[in-house]
Amino acid sequence: DQQVKQNSPSLSVQEGRISILNCDYTNSMFDYFLWYKKYPAEGPTFLISISSIKDKNEDGRFTVFLNKSAKHLSLHIVPSQPGDSAVYFCAAHYGGATNKLIFGTGTLLAVQP
Amino acid sequence: EPEVTQTPSHQVTQMGQEVILRCVPISNHLYFYWYRQILGQKVEFLVSFYNNEISEKSEIFDDQFSVERPDGSNFTLKIRSTKLEDSAMYFCASSWIVYSEAFFGQGTRLTVV
Repeated sequence: DQQVKQNSPSLSVQEGRISILNCDYTNSMFDYFLWYKKYPAEGPTFLISISSIKDKNEDGRFTVFLNKSAKHLSLHIVPSQPGDSAVYFCAAHYGGATNKLIFGTGTLLAVQP
Repeated sequence: EPEVTQTPSHQVTQMGQEVILRCVPISNHLYFYWYRQILGQKVEFLVSFYNNEISEKSEIFDDQFSVERPDGSNFTLKIRSTKLEDSAMYFCASSWIVYSEAFFGQGTRLTVV
């Protein structure tokens, strides 16, 4: 049951360029979305989030865009840095009292110097 | 910066043995979680805990699993009789309120042999 999908298992980008990571979801009950970064042998680290009432949220080099009609969100990293190389997960939160996160399968970003 | 800490970082156990994974969530957080990631798969929700009781659990969280907050700082996951398929990275997480980001620990790698 893949309610949150990240169709690109990997992405390679040159340092200084834009990285765009994509995520699609199927459940219209999701109302809050998060991006996490994960290095090997570490836990996921929160990056940025967006509520379903917004279509964009920006924090420094990171911007998340949400297109509710398409059930699609994307994370833009500008400019990309070698230290950004990691696995990126999008996660979705159901509406209501539950605080369960549904994670995508992740995209491995490699930023080449 | 406050962080979620987990011990041990790696646990090897024989099939059928009981294991307890330990976590110290961020001190002013109210919601606590366990997630797991089987090698090569996505991060999966196991259980959430609020106000000293389970608020939600997944179908993975069967009678072999239990959680406890034995004092004001620790949060534990117990697996009563481990199976080979319980081998995974187990992540503890905590959050302040329902619609806020969850902060994850570095994980415990459980290997059942």
